[in-house]
Amino acid sequence: DGGITQSPKYLFRKEGQNVTLSCEQNLNHDAMYWYRQDPGQGLRLIYYSQIVNDFQKGDIAEGYSVSREKKESFPLTVTSAQKNPTAFYLCASSILVSDEQFFGPGTRLTVL
Amino acid sequence: AQSVTQLGSHVSVSEGALVLLRCNYSSSVPPYLFWYVQYPNQGLQLLLKYTSAATLVKGINGFEAEFKKSETSFHLTKPSAHMSDAAEYFCAVSTTRGKLIFGQGTELSVKP
Repeated sequence: DGGITQSPKYLFRKEGQNVTLSCEQNLNHDAMYWYRQDPGQGLRLIYYSQIVNDFQKGDIAEGYSVSREKKESFPLTVTSAQKNPTAFYLCASSILVSDEQFFGPGTRLTVL
Repeated sequence: AQSVTQLGSHVSVSEGALVLLRCNYSSSVPPYLFWYVQYPNQGLQLLLKYTSAATLVKGINGFEAEFKKSETSFHLTKPSAHMSDAAEYFCAVSTTRGKLIFGQGTELSVKP
């Protein structure tokens, strides 16, 4: 089955630690995205990538980093510089940036 | 630049009643419009999309939406609500020039 996988589903982090969230897709999509979701705030774009080895900052990139070494993979690192990282993180992909996006099941990150 | 506004962060209906979720957009060029649904702790799932074909778009689970250019609206409707429709719904807009922009979301509650 084609789709997007995110792992882990739940992640706990101590303050001061970096953590990496995994996102893999087998849809052969060029574009991939990371969103953060907080209660009552909708989806906020962190980073997106239109092609391998290239990515752009979204609206709330501070404290986050990404890489796009393979078409299928777009991992997100939440660094210790992110002051309030507890949130639900969603990865998505699309054929083109203007197309419908397909979403993964999400990762819930909690800082202890 | 495009934008999208969802009127009402929370809508409550009785089971069997009409569902109406409102979405207005702003775009200087012909838009593509989307409705997504999100169940708790899950990713977003595409309900339907408008890409300049028929103005009345039918989606999954009995939902439909009508593109009204004169009103810059793309409201989502369902004739008869079911308990399983309780979820959060997101409207999104894009154009051939740019990526999807999501609204803030509307939480739909269905009362028995």
